[in-house]
Formats: sequence, structure tokens, C-alpha cells
Amino acid sequence: NAGVTQTPKFRVLKTGQSMTLLCAQDMNHEYMYWYRQDPGMGLRLIHYSVGEGTTAKGEVPDGYNVSRLKKQNFLLGLESAAPSQTSVYFCASSLDGNYGYTFGSGTRLTVV
Amino acid sequence: AQSVTQLGSHVSVSEGALVLLRCNYSSSVPPYLFWYVQYPNQGLQLLLKYTSAATLVKGINGFEAEFKKSETSFHLTKPSAHMSDAAEYFCAVRPYQAGTALIFGKGTTLSVSS
Repeated sequence: NAGVTQTPKFRVLKTGQSMTLLCAQDMNHEYMYWYRQDPGMGLRLIHYSVGEGTTAKGEVPDGYNVSRLKKQNFLLGLESAAPSQTSVYFCASSLDGNYGYTFGSGTRLTVV
Repeated sequence: AQSVTQLGSHVSVSEGALVLLRCNYSSSVPPYLFWYVQYPNQGLQLLLKYTSAATLVKGINGFEAEFKKSETSFHLTKPSAHMSDAAEYFCAVRPYQAGTALIFGKGTTLSVSS
């Protein structure tokens, strides 16, 4: 009964380094999302997917790439990290996009 | 474009007092609306949702919200605050376009004092 699992939970990167955040869900949900949370900004959508093999840009996609090769996994990549990408990243999933999302516990990323 | 506005970034109440967190939405069609709660260092949990059925929606932990189309509002209330209600609360709207994602407000931090 894991729900949505995000790895890693914490990470510190140097400017210019790359990394991949993994989101895995075991609920057979079609829709998956990546948001970033910054103080006073709420949650802003980075990318999302409406099914295996599909991805779409959200509100703040620049500097990020995503892949959904398997239905249960949604990967968020940072090719060249910048301090502006210091944030808490949340993954979420939804059965059909119409109702409530299930969120992971977040990844706290610091870029120095 | 649809959006939500949460009035007040911080709300402070005493234990046992009424909790009122305000949310207004902009939408040209009846929306789906949600309230989420986030406890420190955790992800978001769904409190309640409005999906065009009853206008008064009851959620978990004694919270409820009323959809008022004339006021474009979906305020969250709880009759009596408890210390454990201290958290950040987010209102969200689901755009009417198929295949899109929830749009969140900027959040309201609720503090509860004894």
C-alpha cells in the first residue's frame, strides 16, 4: 500500500550537475504530474503525463525534462542544475485526472 | 484561464474557534474544486472536493466547504479548531479542458494557539 513514492528525499547538487528524480505509483493511475513548491508561490506544474509514453509541458517547464516509459514511473530530469531550481518537488498521480490526486512526500533539492 | 485566489497567506485562530479559509475561483464553466492540507515536511492530502453534486461538501477531520456560484467562492470552514489543524491549506481548481492538471492557489498557513 505504498501509493506514490519519490526518490531521493533530499539532494544537494552543484550548479551544472544533472540528476533524475524518480516517481513511482502502484495504483495503476493513468495520469502523473510533477510540481514544484516554493515559499509564497504555492504549487506550480512542471510537466505532466496523461498515459504511458505521453508527456506535456506545464506552467514552468524550462530546465526540466520528463519521461514516462512505464505506466507506473514518471521521471523528472535536470540536465544542468541552477540555483533557481532549488525547491521542493512533488509528484502526484490520478486515476483519470478528474478527481483528487495522490501526492508523494516530496524531494527537497538544493542547488549550490 | 482558470485560477484560484486564496485570501490571506496566514490565518491565526485560538483552539476551539471557528476556522474560515477563503478561496475564490475564476471559471467560465462550473469547475471541480478541491481543498488540500499539507502538514510540515509532508506531501499534500485531499481534504474534500466539489464535483457539481451537493454544494455543501464535507471532508475529513471535520472540515467542510460550500460552493457558491454567485460569489465564485469555495471557502473552507471548521466549527472548532484543534491544535492538530495547524498546517498549510491549498485550494485547487481542475481546468475544464480535458487532459490538463489541477491549478493550485498559493496556500494559507493556519496557526492554532492554545
